[in-house]
Amino acid sequence: DAKTTQPNSMESNEEEPVHLPCNHSTISGTDYIHWYRQLPSQGPEYVIHGLTSNVNNRMASLAIAEDRKSSTLILHRATLRDAAVYYCILRTRLVAGGTSYGKLTFGQGTILTVHP
Amino acid sequence: SQTIHQWPATLVQPVGSPLSLECTVEGTSNPNLYWYRQAAGRGLQLLFYSVGIGQISSEVPQNLSASRPQDRQFILSSKKLLLSDSGFYLCAWSVHRAYNSPLHFGNGTRLTVT
Repeated sequence: DAKTTQPNSMESNEEEPVHLPCNHSTISGTDYIHWYRQLPSQGPEYVIHGLTSNVNNRMASLAIAEDRKSSTLILHRATLRDAAVYYCILRTRLVAGGTSYGKLTFGQGTILTVHP
Repeated sequence: SQTIHQWPATLVQPVGSPLSLECTVEGTSNPNLYWYRQAAGRGLQLLFYSVGIGQISSEVPQNLSASRPQDRQFILSSKKLLLSDSGFYLCAWSVHRAYNSPLHFGNGTRLTVT
């Protein structure tokens, strides 16, 4: 599986933007970049994903480098509820029983602390 | 809208006892289904995935097994639990035949084997 590298932890102040980096130098052409976050004692929550172009949704923005070897998750205004572990994952296409599915291999993620 | 249910939320079982964790999905048909485990630390490990009824693939050799008796039901089992089976078990689903669709996770079962 293609691997990602993230900082172990980051800190931010409430209402400030947060840029969470991710390196994925071994990414292949068909791998999508996915971001999930996990609050304590809960299952991971999907945040955003992209292939080559930058992406925006109601939760965050994803900026993807031109060579696709790195990406940055941007939270435009951090809130206390954004404190979580953020996972950057490469989604690889696999086929089983004639059906495509995308395996997600989670790394250690980045612990984001948001200060009031 | 789609929902995923896992139960129980917490479970304490003695070593050597059997295990059955159930996961059901509502609001979608023929989803891809997954079982993950999160042990000490933060990483999640994929245990099993299923692309259809009766189709189960295992990612790692272990003391656990999975079954999919119905389209939207996924069961994780063990005949005899080990201490090392303790952890946070998460079920997830994604859209069938869409390898890039996001995974949607349940709230998990925290299993403690004593």
